[in-house]
Amino acid sequence: KQEVTQIPAALSVPEGENLVLNCSFTDSAIYNLQWFRQDPGKGLTSLLLIQSSQREQTSGRLNASLDKSSGRSTLYIAASQPGDSATYLCAVNGEDNDMRFGAGTRLTVKP
Amino acid sequence: DAGVIQSPRHEVTEMGQEVTLRCKPISGHDYLFWYRQTMMRGLELLIYFNNNVPIDDSGMPEDRFSAKMPNASFSTLKIQPSEPRDSAVYFCASSVNRGTDTQYFGPGTRLTVL
Repeated sequence: KQEVTQIPAALSVPEGENLVLNCSFTDSAIYNLQWFRQDPGKGLTSLLLIQSSQREQTSGRLNASLDKSSGRSTLYIAASQPGDSATYLCAVNGEDNDMRFGAGTRLTVKP
Repeated sequence: DAGVIQSPRHEVTEMGQEVTLRCKPISGHDYLFWYRQTMMRGLELLIYFNNNVPIDDSGMPEDRFSAKMPNASFSTLKIQPSEPRDSAVYFCASSVNRGTDTQYFGPGTRLTVL
């Protein structure tokens, strides 16, 4: 059974800092991995989707990498802003068609 | 497109009552998913449909939970009878396909069972 772990559980940084969020998974047989953002009281917004054959994806200040063999993914946020404050969730879509989510990293960017 | 629409946004009910949550997926999306999010267990997949047919309901916690998708634009998740431990946020999501596509989430229904 796939297990997805996100570290750290919470992170607080000053505005402008670059930061890295980590996600690890136990079963490398995956279709893809997604990073989502969730604001308090809201649904999830997809940020980046990395297919199993890809190594990374970029969107604006966000860059996500995938190392399937080691079961790891990172989300890099450049020049963080207060508006980036949210919970970031990693989700692994397994070849058994079962999507599993990590518990999330709660990010606070201080002005 | 308006995105995935869920109703109601908030539901407060008493233990033993029937609860029905509703979802309208994005038009053209063949897959629909129901998730539950709690502090203790995080986000869990309950069931998903492909072309209105339930494919995997192994995440449905008990027989008290049932889901239907009578047509491509409407799905319901029903809890009967409801219990306090069912209190959670229930999300509906849809996607074009299962394996390779982004899932688009609705705003969720916050359910409180007293």
